Amino acid sequence: EVQLVESGGGLVQPGRSLRLSCTASGFTFGDYAMSWVRQAPGKGLEWVGFIRSKAYGGTTEYAASVKGRFTISRDDSKSIAYLQMNSLKTEDTAVYYCTRVDRGYYFDYWGQGTLVTVSS
Amino acid sequence: SYVLTQPPSVSVAPGKTARITCGGNNIGSKSVHWYQQKPGQAPVLVIYYDSDRPSGIPERFSGSNSGNTATLTISRVEAGDEADYYCQVWDSSSDHNWVFGGGTKLTVL
Repeated sequence: EVQLVESGGGLVQPGRSLRLSCTASGFTFGDYAMSWVRQAPGKGLEWVGFIRSKAYGGTTEYAASVKGRFTISRDDSKSIAYLQMNSLKTEDTAVYYCTRVDRGYYFDYWGQGTLVTVSS
Repeated sequence: SYVLTQPPSVSVAPGKTARITCGGNNIGSKSVHWYQQKPGQAPVLVIYYDSDRPSGIPERFSGSNSGNTATLTISRVEAGDEADYYCQVWDSSSDHNWVFGGGTKLTVL
């Protein structure tokens, strides 16, 4: 059974940093691209970023709203994907979901999400 | 930036058919994926590549895509189908490569 478990969320002040982790199980993690999607309170879904599998270079893509502030990385030996969030803004407050990406185009499995609250 | 437009809400009586639309410029040339999100839960993929269903998704869920509109159709609607539904495409020209619609709240009367 595919499982994705996010951790690392919490309350953080504007301008500070936070790192989220996504621990995967039930599939060969290294074979898949992974992505982060967020949802602000009461709002819709917003794609945040994406990391390819090592077979496709392990390169990353980011939404314009987070580019230059957020960094996605992966440790295939531990089956973990990370989202490093720097220079956080109040508008980054959201539930952050880790997702597995199938064929590069859609999100076939989602974690339960972790809440990040950016507030002074 | 590519924009997907969904109606904010759709209401349907139990046992009837619900149709949720997703509008976009020439969306028929793209692959559309649909997600169901129940309150307090993570989204779940219900349709991918316009009309394919993941294992475990009832046959009552189907999809189509042509021209400027993609449609998620839910037949014989049940109370448990009440949820938010989001369409999504991948667009290489957008600053958000993976684009979501604004979501549609399906209410079962």
